[in-house]
Amino acid sequence: DAGVIQSPRHEVTEMGQEVTLRCKPISGHDYLFWYRQTMMRGLELLIYFNNNVPIDDSGMPEDRFSAKMPNASFSTLKIQPSEPRDSAVYFCASSRQGTAYNEQFFGPGTRLTVL
Amino acid sequence: GNSVTQMEGPVTLSEEAFLTINCTYTATGYPSLFWYVQYPGEGLQLLLKATKADDKGSNKGFEATYRKETTSFHLEKGSVQVSDSAVYFCARGGFQKLVFGTGTRLLVSP
Repeated sequence: DAGVIQSPRHEVTEMGQEVTLRCKPISGHDYLFWYRQTMMRGLELLIYFNNNVPIDDSGMPEDRFSAKMPNASFSTLKIQPSEPRDSAVYFCASSRQGTAYNEQFFGPGTRLTVL
Repeated sequence: GNSVTQMEGPVTLSEEAFLTINCTYTATGYPSLFWYVQYPGEGLQLLLKATKADDKGSNKGFEATYRKETTSFHLEKGSVQVSDSAVYFCARGGFQKLVFGTGTRLLVSP
């Protein structure tokens, strides 16, 4: 079974541009999580969805960030406009309710560089 | 504040040395506990887990025991290898999500 798929793996853009990160969770998983990882702040949970509905977006840094999950197999994280301080590795993870373990499966990440 | 606390790194060891990375947590009830590992340039991977008190999770020579008395889940390995160099994250289960520690970088030299 394929794991969590993220695209692109690397993104370099200029300040002010729109950036869209994509994620395909593991089939059958009903939770999807977006994380950001930086040296300064470590691993931060940005937002998570259950059955395509956003449950907690308190970690989203500001209005420039938005996330959607139009269906069970696809989610996007958008930054508009992007700023250099958004440079980080963004991870998507998914899990299945009812496992009793809350185990999350992570994608390989998207390394974003904003110049 | 963060309810998972793990020792700061980096932890620097020679090959075949004994490893301990401490992790303590705060929680109501008895959450599931996890260790994740992140190799350079990759995402986090589940290393081991324990779902109830006194359970011992183990994988790839690593072990951790769920200690409710001390609310701890310390990671140990008897003989580390260079290939174990990575960042290790302790985590506890929460309502619908995981709570992660800040991560501990392990550097193993030949």
